[in-house]
Amino acid sequence: KAGVTQTPRYLIKTRGQQVTLSCSPISGHRSVSWYQQTPGQGLQFLFEYFSETQRNKGNFPGRFSGRQFSNSRSEMNVSTLELGDSALYLCASSQGTSNEQFFGPGTRLTVL
Amino acid sequence: LAKTTQPISMDSYEGQEVNITCSHNNIATNDYITWYQQFPSQGPRFIIQGYKTKVTNEVASLFIPADRKSSTLSLPRVSLSDTAVYYCLVGSYGNNRLAFGKGNQVVVIP
Repeated sequence: KAGVTQTPRYLIKTRGQQVTLSCSPISGHRSVSWYQQTPGQGLQFLFEYFSETQRNKGNFPGRFSGRQFSNSRSEMNVSTLELGDSALYLCASSQGTSNEQFFGPGTRLTVL
Repeated sequence: LAKTTQPISMDSYEGQEVNITCSHNNIATNDYITWYQQFPSQGPRFIIQGYKTKVTNEVASLFIPADRKSSTLSLPRVSLSDTAVYYCLVGSYGNNRLAFGKGNQVVVIP
């Protein structure tokens, strides 16, 4: 089975711009979660989608949003980028019925 | 979400058994204990999960005492490639809102 894929792997944006990141889960997985990882804050949960519905949400501002499509693929959008949004954004998929999540390689976002 | 406390870092020699502890004093009745491993610039990788007593798989063992307020991940005969950050998490089964904490940086020394 193919693993979780994320595109793009690297991205450079400037302040004020918006960005969309994509995640393709493992085939058959209906849950997709997003995390932000920074050296200072560590790994922080952004949100989870299950069957196209947001099921859980972390403590991030409304600039961070996401969606999930009928094929379980998910996108994450960040609007009005700030320098502090520079991070590794990780996507994880699971069947939705256990605590075992499968993470992708991440998208490294740099905001200048 | 129950919080976890782990040592920040630890060193171990190659070939030794490594025991990584985690405290979770406020664990709830329906919480499970899960461990992940993360290498630099990669996503975390699931290692093992348990509820009580002992769980063993092909890579690690997880020891959970009766009060479940702590747990210990045991890695047998570590190699240099086991150098990574190890995260202990607690949460209800099927809860995909994982709270990773700071993790424990394990460095394996030749």
